[in-house]
Amino acid sequence: KAGVTQTPRYLIKTRGQQVTLSCSPISGHRSVSWYQQTPGQGLQFLFEYFSETQRNKGNFPGRFSGRQFSNSRSEMNVSTLELGDSALYLCASRIRPASMNTEAFFGQGTRLTVV
Amino acid sequence: DQQVKQNSPSLSVQEGRISILNCDYTNSMFDYFLWYKKYPAEGPTFLISISSIKDKNEDGRFTVFLNKSAKHLSLHIVPSQPGDSAVYFCAASALAGGTSYGKLTFGQGTILTVHP
Repeated sequence: KAGVTQTPRYLIKTRGQQVTLSCSPISGHRSVSWYQQTPGQGLQFLFEYFSETQRNKGNFPGRFSGRQFSNSRSEMNVSTLELGDSALYLCASRIRPASMNTEAFFGQGTRLTVV
Repeated sequence: DQQVKQNSPSLSVQEGRISILNCDYTNSMFDYFLWYKKYPAEGPTFLISISSIKDKNEDGRFTVFLNKSAKHLSLHIVPSQPGDSAVYFCAASALAGGTSYGKLTFGQGTILTVHP
């Protein structure tokens, strides 16, 4: 069974640009969450999608947005990039968010560098 | 407001000995806990989890203990191997609802180094 796939693996963008990151969850998993990892803040929750609906959102500005498609694939978008957005962005998939078996399986991440 | 804390930034252990990684939490809504292992520039790898209805869960060399009254959990690795060297994160979630519903709240991580 294939794992969580994130594309691209690496990305360099300029301040003010926007970026879209993609995540394909494990087959059969319907929940996709996004996390940001930085050296100073650690792993921070961005948002979670289940059945194409945002279920929960972390404390990030509105420049960070996401969506989920009917095949459970998810994208996150960051507009008007700032230097502080440089981070490893991780996607995690779960069978469903409210199940007792809520192990989340992570992808390799997308390393975003804003210059 | 750091709801999940790993107070030891690093831990060094000899191969074959026990590694004990600790984690404390403050949010009483948390009822599901997980441990992840992470290498640089890679995603976290799930190791083991425990529900709040249990106080111990074991999987091979990994055992997680939960003390709900103390809001404390620990991961024991026995015996430790050099390949276990990585950053270990504990994470918590609330299955029952509230603002923690559906998301994992992570600790800051502990760097484990296992010396041959």
